[in-house]
Amino acid sequence: DQQVKQNSPSLSVQEGRISILNCDYTNSMFDYFLWYKKYPAEGPTFLISISSIKDKNEDGRFTVFLNKSAKHLSLHIVPSQPGDSAVYFCAAKGDGGSQGNLIFGKGTKLSVKP
Amino acid sequence: DGGITQSPKYLFRKEGQNVTLSCEQNLNHDAMYWYRQDPGQGLRLIYYSQIVNDFQKGDIAEGYSVSREKKESFPLTVTSAQKNPTAFYLCASSMVMNTEAFFGQGTRLTVV
Repeated sequence: DQQVKQNSPSLSVQEGRISILNCDYTNSMFDYFLWYKKYPAEGPTFLISISSIKDKNEDGRFTVFLNKSAKHLSLHIVPSQPGDSAVYFCAAKGDGGSQGNLIFGKGTKLSVKP
Repeated sequence: DGGITQSPKYLFRKEGQNVTLSCEQNLNHDAMYWYRQDPGQGLRLIYYSQIVNDFQKGDIAEGYSVSREKKESFPLTVTSAQKNPTAFYLCASSMVMNTEAFFGQGTRLTVV
């Protein structure tokens, strides 16, 4: 059963508008969450992360929100730019052992139209 | 420059042959990982190693083998037992108990 779910396989947004990518998780042992951005035929690059002790982390145009009670996190990109077009993966991590590995969602393909 | 290097970028293999994918990092990271990406499947963990001379199976380890003789290197062998080896393979590394993993550029393996 999937522990990290990205239910929207794709998202299309107009340049300058906000992009909101969503992610849900089922394992309450996860205590750290990350977003990666991936272009075709390349490795993912780390974007932003959030610890379970916080509910918001901001880095420039990127903000991640965490709602622990709902086991939900989201990535906001404001303003969206055409260069943001990529696949975005949500990942979660627990505290050591097998939970110490990153568990990835299936990704959401973001298209930002000029 | 510090980083994680996978080679080769593209690899072709005849059905029934074993093939080894290389992954090297000079980030002094303790942990290394192999993931496989298939269309619509996200990244699935094959094997991981948190320390030299130790490694553990991930979610889809069948048909694969690894070794971790050196901290810097974590090669992955795709054996003939792997039924669907054609995929994009990604290697990653991180500090133990740290969070962000850094990825290599990937190796696309095609079985012909």
